[in-house]
Amino acid sequence: DQQVKQNSPSLSVQEGRISILNCDYTNSMFDYFLWYKKYPAEGPTFLISISSIKDKNEDGRFTVFLNKSAKHLSLHIVPSQPGDSAVYFCAATGYGGSQGNLIFGKGTKLSVKP
Amino acid sequence: EPEVTQTPSHQVTQMGQEVILRCVPISNHLYFYWYRQILGQKVEFLVSFYNNEISEKSEIFDDQFSVERPDGSNFTLKIRSTKLEDSAMYFCASTKGLGEVYEQFFGPGTRLTVL
Repeated sequence: DQQVKQNSPSLSVQEGRISILNCDYTNSMFDYFLWYKKYPAEGPTFLISISSIKDKNEDGRFTVFLNKSAKHLSLHIVPSQPGDSAVYFCAATGYGGSQGNLIFGKGTKLSVKP
Repeated sequence: EPEVTQTPSHQVTQMGQEVILRCVPISNHLYFYWYRQILGQKVEFLVSFYNNEISEKSEIFDDQFSVERPDGSNFTLKIRSTKLEDSAMYFCASTKGLGEVYEQFFGPGTRLTVL
């Protein structure tokens, strides 16, 4: 039961260009969405989040867009840097009946080539 | 910058043995979580803990699992009788509280290998 789906297991981008990572969800009770970045042998590191009352949130090079009607969100990284190479996880949580436990997607491995 | 710490970084055990994974959450955080990631799979929620009791647990968190906050700083996950399929990375996470802020801060993980 994949409530959070990241359909692209990998993405390769040239340094300086835009990286767009996509995420779809099925549970309409989700009202908060997060992106985490993970390097091998490390824990997930929080990047950026968005509440369902917004459609965009920006933090430096990172922007998350939320399309509630499509149940879709995306993470844009501009400009991409080689240090951004990692696995990116989309996660969702909802107030209704949930004490904040995160439901993760399977991740997308981003490779930024110099 | 405050961070979540976990020990040990790698635990090897024999099937049927008990293991205790330890975590020190960020000091002013109130909600604590355990997640696991089996190799090649997604990160999965196990259990959340608040005010010295379990708030929510997933179907993975069966009677073989327990959590405890034995003092003001540590948060532990115990697996009573390990199975081969318990081999995974186990991540501890903590957050200040619910409301509008859900960002959870994760520790570096403990790699559990059950032989």
